[in-house]
Amino acid sequence: DTEVTQTPKHLVMGMTNKKSLKCEQHMGHRAMYWYKQKAKKPPELMFVYSYEKLSINESVPSRFSPECPNSSLLNLHLHALQPEDSALYLCASSQDLARNQPQHFGDGTRLSIL
Amino acid sequence: EDQVTQSPEALRLQEGESSSLNCSYTVSGLRGLFWYRQDPGKGPEFLFTLYSAGEEKEKERLKATLTKKESFLHITAPKPEDSATYLCAVQGGGTSYGKLTFGQGTILTVHP
Repeated sequence: DTEVTQTPKHLVMGMTNKKSLKCEQHMGHRAMYWYKQKAKKPPELMFVYSYEKLSINESVPSRFSPECPNSSLLNLHLHALQPEDSALYLCASSQDLARNQPQHFGDGTRLSIL
Repeated sequence: EDQVTQSPEALRLQEGESSSLNCSYTVSGLRGLFWYRQDPGKGPEFLFTLYSAGEEKEKERLKATLTKKESFLHITAPKPEDSATYLCAVQGGGTSYGKLTFGQGTILTVHP
C-alpha cells in the first residue's frame, strides 16, 4: 500500500464530460505533482505545486485544470478531453522542492476517454 | 538539457542469476539520482536516492551505485517477485526544482 492515495482507480468518460481526479497524502509533504503515463513509457510531468501554489505547468492543455485546496489534497479537473488523453494519471508528493528528496507516487487513476 | 539512458531495455534472468541494470546520465550538476520499481498497473515505488559519486545504497537483494556518469542497480540472486520495470530518474542543477528526467526503463523478468 502506498501513502499517496488516488481516487478513483479507474474512470471512463466521454469527451463532453467533466470529472475530477483526487489525490491525498498525510506525510506532511509540501510539494505535490501530477504526471501522465502512457503504456511502456516513463511518467511525464504535468504540474507541480509547492506550498499549495502552482510552481510548474508543463504547457498542459487547459482542458486539464489542477487545484490544491490544502497541503494534503490535490485535484485534477478534467473537461472536454480527447481520446489521446487516455492514460494512467499519477500523483506524487515530496517533502518540498528545495531538498531534492524523492517523490512518492500513488497507484494512479486509469483514465479512458470514449 | 538533462538526459538519461537506461540499458538494457529488457532483461530476462533465471532465478538466482545475478545481474546489473545501467543508467547513464548527462546533467549540469547532479542534485539527485533516483531508482524506482514499477509493477504493471501500479505507480512507481521509490527504491533509492543517490546524491554523489561513490555513494552506495542497499535494500534486500538490490544495491545501487553511482559514478559521475552512470548508476548501476545490482540484483543479487533475484527471485520471480523482483520482476518489474525499473526506472532511473535524475534531478539536474539546470532544471527547475521538482522536475525529474526519467529514463525509458528496464523491464526485468525473472523466471523460476
